[in-house]
Amino acid sequence: DIQMTQSPSSLSASVGDRVTITCRASQSITTYLNWYQQKPGKAPKVLIYAASSLQSGVPSRFSGSGSGTDFTLTISSLQPEDSATYFCLQTYNNRYTFGQGTNLEIK
Amino acid sequence: QVQLVESGGGLVKPGGSLRLSCAASGFTFSDYYMNWIRQAPGKGLEWVSYISTTGATIYYADSVKGRFTISRDNAKNSLYLQMNSLRAEDTAIYYCARETHTTGRNWFDPWGQGTLVTVSS
Repeated sequence: DIQMTQSPSSLSASVGDRVTITCRASQSITTYLNWYQQKPGKAPKVLIYAASSLQSGVPSRFSGSGSGTDFTLTISSLQPEDSATYFCLQTYNNRYTFGQGTNLEIK
Repeated sequence: QVQLVESGGGLVKPGGSLRLSCAASGFTFSDYYMNWIRQAPGKGLEWVSYISTTGATIYYADSVKGRFTISRDNAKNSLYLQMNSLRAEDTAIYYCARETHTTGRNWFDPWGQGTLVTVSS
């Protein structure tokens, strides 16, 4: 199975900060990489698909980049409502795997 | 609106069985691949199973292969997960999710609200 290593596992940042979360795949997954946001007690919500495509309705402060094995989710200007857990998901083969998650706290 | 609603979760003893359902509405269910994903309490997400539009192609995570069976009824707009030989480590919230699949890209959206399965004696 493809392993997804996500970092950091947690971070704390202030409103207005630029925040970066990374995922590394154990083998090339080209651009079959999605990013999800999950708030407590809620189902995950897709933010980015195909590594860099912004899902409709998602604020433009969210962006994704990368290909092959290294991927990044960036929040350009952190907002209070961005407090959540973020996961990456590879969909390259039919044995999908998630990253471990990043718990983002607003200072 | 596009909606997925899971049901069937509950408390079951180790070795027991449970059948989860996911009712879809607001879209043409038969056009979409579907998946089950689970999340143990306080833990990350784990993909469980995938089923193609007709049910002809199915995949499972190693952790559930041989014990869980995914199926769908396109006439009833419903997805199912039959879970047998349940173990304590199967305790989790189980989500169904629609998979959108186009050339070179696929993603899960939306997800249902989840149904909690607790395996305990």
